[in-house]
Formats: sequence, structure tokens, C-alpha cells
Amino acid sequence: DIQMTQSPSSLSASVGDRVTITCQASQGIANYLNWYQQKPGKAPKLLIYDASNLETGVPSRFSGSGSGTDFTFTITSLQPEDFATYYCQQYDHLPGLTFGGGTKVEIK
Amino acid sequence: EVQLVESGGGLVQPGGSLRLSCAASGFTFTTYWMAWVRQAPGKGLEWVANIKRDETEKYYLDSVKGRFVISRDNAKNSLSLQMNSLRAEDTALYYCARVRYGDPPGTFDYWGQGTLVTVSS
Repeated sequence: DIQMTQSPSSLSASVGDRVTITCQASQGIANYLNWYQQKPGKAPKLLIYDASNLETGVPSRFSGSGSGTDFTFTITSLQPEDFATYYCQQYDHLPGLTFGGGTKVEIK
Repeated sequence: EVQLVESGGGLVQPGGSLRLSCAASGFTFTTYWMAWVRQAPGKGLEWVANIKRDETEKYYLDSVKGRFVISRDNAKNSLSLQMNSLRAEDTALYYCARVRYGDPPGTFDYWGQGTLVTVSS
């Protein structure tokens, strides 16, 4: 299976900060990479699909980039409602869809 | 509005069985792949299984293959997961998810709220 290494596992940031999360695949996955947001006690929510496409209704402060093995997720100006856990997920190969370990974004 | 409502979770002894269900509404169920994704308490997300629109393709996480069976009833807009030979490590919140159109079919664009499965003696 393809392993997804997400970093950092947690970070502290302030409202207005720029936040960057990285995800590295153990082998090339083209652009078959998604990003999800999960708030405590809630289901995950799709934010970015195909590495860089913003899901309908998702604010433009969220963005994604990358292809192959290295991917980046960015929040340009962190808002109070953005404090959550973020997961990358690859879907290059069925079976064997895998998620990264998650990044918890906390208030500094 | 797309809605996915899971049911069937509960406490079961190791080696036991449980059947999860997911009632779908607000979209044309027959045209979408569907999936189950789980999350152990305090842990990350783990994909469990995918099923094609017409059930001709099914894919499973290695650790559940041979024990879990994903199925669907397109007439009832319903997705199921039959879980047999349950182990403590299967303890998790199980989410039903819709798979967005595309190839490979691996993007989860809508999720239910989950149903909790606890495997313990």
C-alpha cells in the first residue's frame, strides 16, 4: 500500500497566520490527492480534490498544490473556524486508499 | 440535500458479527460508488471498503478482507457492511461516504455522522 506521511502532526497558530501542511506519498500518485477537514465530533469534510481543486463552497483561503509524491496544503489567513484536524488522502490505487496521519491545528 | 444516515453500531464480543446500514437520500444513489471509512477512538481515518454502482466491483482493506462484506440495495437507496469475526482492533466509528464521480473512484465528497462499533468482552 501507498504510505502517506503528513507533517507536522500538530501545530499552534494565531488567527491571521499562514499555515502550511505537507503530505508525502511513498510512491508517485500523480495528482490523486485530497484534503479533508475534521472538527471534533463531526464527520470529515472534503476541502480540496485532485491536489489543487477547491470543493464548491469552500473558502478561497484554502489551497493545495503538488503532484507525484510531494503535496502542500495552505490556509492563507487562519480563521477561528479553521481550528480542526486536517487529513490528506491518496486514491491512486484501488484497493489501498490511504490517509495521512492528520495535522491538528490548534490556537496559539 | 445529500444525507447519509448510518445505523447498526453497538457493543459486540470478539468473534461476533454486526451489520451496519446507511440510508442515502438527496441524490441519485444508483449512479454513485459508495464507501465505508472508519476512525478508531482518538485516531486517524482508515478506508474500509468501496462498492461500485452495480456491485460488480468491490474493494476492501486487507485487514478486513474475508471478514467484512460491503453490499447495496439500489431499490432502497441503502448501503450495508456485514462485519464478521470481529476483533478488538475493529473498534471504531464507521462512516458511510459517497464517492465523487471520477476515476479512480476514491474521493469522498459526502459523509454520514457515523455509527460506533465497540468490540469488547
